[in-house]
Amino acid sequence: DIQMTQSPSSLSASVGDRVTITCRASQGIRNDLGWYQQKPGKAPKHLIYATSSLQSGVPSRFSGSGSGTEFTLTISSLEPEDFATYYCLQHNSYPRTFGQGTKVEIK
Amino acid sequence: EVQLVESGGGLVQPGGSLRLSCATFRFTFRNYWMTWVRQAPGKGLEWVANIKPDGSDRYYVDSVKGRFTISRDNAENSLFLQMNSLRAEDTAVYYCVRGGGGIDYWGQGTLVTVSS
Repeated sequence: DIQMTQSPSSLSASVGDRVTITCRASQGIRNDLGWYQQKPGKAPKHLIYATSSLQSGVPSRFSGSGSGTEFTLTISSLEPEDFATYYCLQHNSYPRTFGQGTKVEIK
Repeated sequence: EVQLVESGGGLVQPGGSLRLSCATFRFTFRNYWMTWVRQAPGKGLEWVANIKPDGSDRYYVDSVKGRFTISRDNAENSLFLQMNSLRAEDTAVYYCVRGGGGIDYWGQGTLVTVSS
């Protein structure tokens, strides 16, 4: 199975900060990676597909990059509604695997 | 807008069975892979299974192989998850999700609790 290691597991940041979350795959997954945002008690929301393509309706302050084994999600300027938990998901091989999540908290 | 609505969750004893359903709306269901994802209380997301548009291919995480069966009814635009031999560690919110790789739209989830 491909292991997805997300870092950090949590972070504290202020509104307006630039935030970067990293996902490392235990083996190459080309660009077969997506990012999801989850708020407490809610279903996850799809943010980015194919490593760097923004899902329709997602604000442009979100961006993704990477390839192979290292991937990043960047929020260029944190907004109050961005405080949530973020997950990466690889869909290069079975079983699909998620990162363990990164909780973004208010500083 | 695309909508997915899960049902069928509840409290079940260890060793018991449960069948989850997912009704889908406002997209051409028969053209899409479909996926189940679960989330144990206070934990992260876990991919469970997915199924090809025509139902001919299905994939499972090892921990549910032989116990869970994913299926679909394209005439009814519905997805199912038959869960047998349930264990305490299967306790989770189960989400129905559109797609097989880059999964996109999620249902609101249905809670399955396995406890005596």
